[in-house]
Amino acid sequence: EIVMTQSPATLSVSPGERATLSCRASQSVSSNLAWYQQKPGQAPRLLIYGASTRATGIPARFSGSGSGTEFTLTISSLQSEDFAVYYCQSYNNWLPRFGQGTKVEI
Amino acid sequence: EVQLVESGGGLVQPGGSLRLSCAASGFRFSSYAMSWVRQAPGKGLECVSTITGSADSTSYADSVKGRFTISRDNSKNTVYLQMNSLRVEDTAVYYCAKGSSTWPTWFDPWGQGTLVTVSS
Repeated sequence: EIVMTQSPATLSVSPGERATLSCRASQSVSSNLAWYQQKPGQAPRLLIYGASTRATGIPARFSGSGSGTEFTLTISSLQSEDFAVYYCQSYNNWLPRFGQGTKVEI
Repeated sequence: EVQLVESGGGLVQPGGSLRLSCAASGFRFSSYAMSWVRQAPGKGLECVSTITGSADSTSYADSVKGRFTISRDNSKNTVYLQMNSLRVEDTAVYYCAKGSSTWPTWFDPWGQGTLVTVSS
């Protein structure tokens, strides 16, 4: 069973700053890694798939990198609408696995 | 436009059953894997079950194996989650989500979710 671990649990940043979120897999998932954003009361929204490909309509300030077991989501300049919870998800086997989430707050 | 609309949630006693439905539109339904992902109050996301586009393969989280059954009717563009022997810890918002191919991959889009509350 693949375990996904995200860090930090909470990230306190100011608007305009850069945010770096980490996700680690307990075994290699190659590039089979996605990132989601979730705001209160809403369903998650896909940001990144294939570790580094932005989904349709996602702003260029969101970027993903990594492969194997170490992955990073970077938000280059935080906007007010980016304060949310972010989840990574692996899809390397039959049952996709999520990390526990990182809350990005002011 | 791709749309996923869940229904069937509600309040049920421990040990009871519910069947969730997710009606899909805007894409060739039979070509895509579908999944159910839940989120307990204040907690993270858990994929509880997936089904391939042709329904020839399914998978379940250990937490629901033997109690939940996923199925789909490609003629009705609908995926189901039959939930039996419900426990208090199954209380969550249940989201239906579309995969990117016939195999489970990333999820896009998601439905709005349906709340299941298991309580006496």
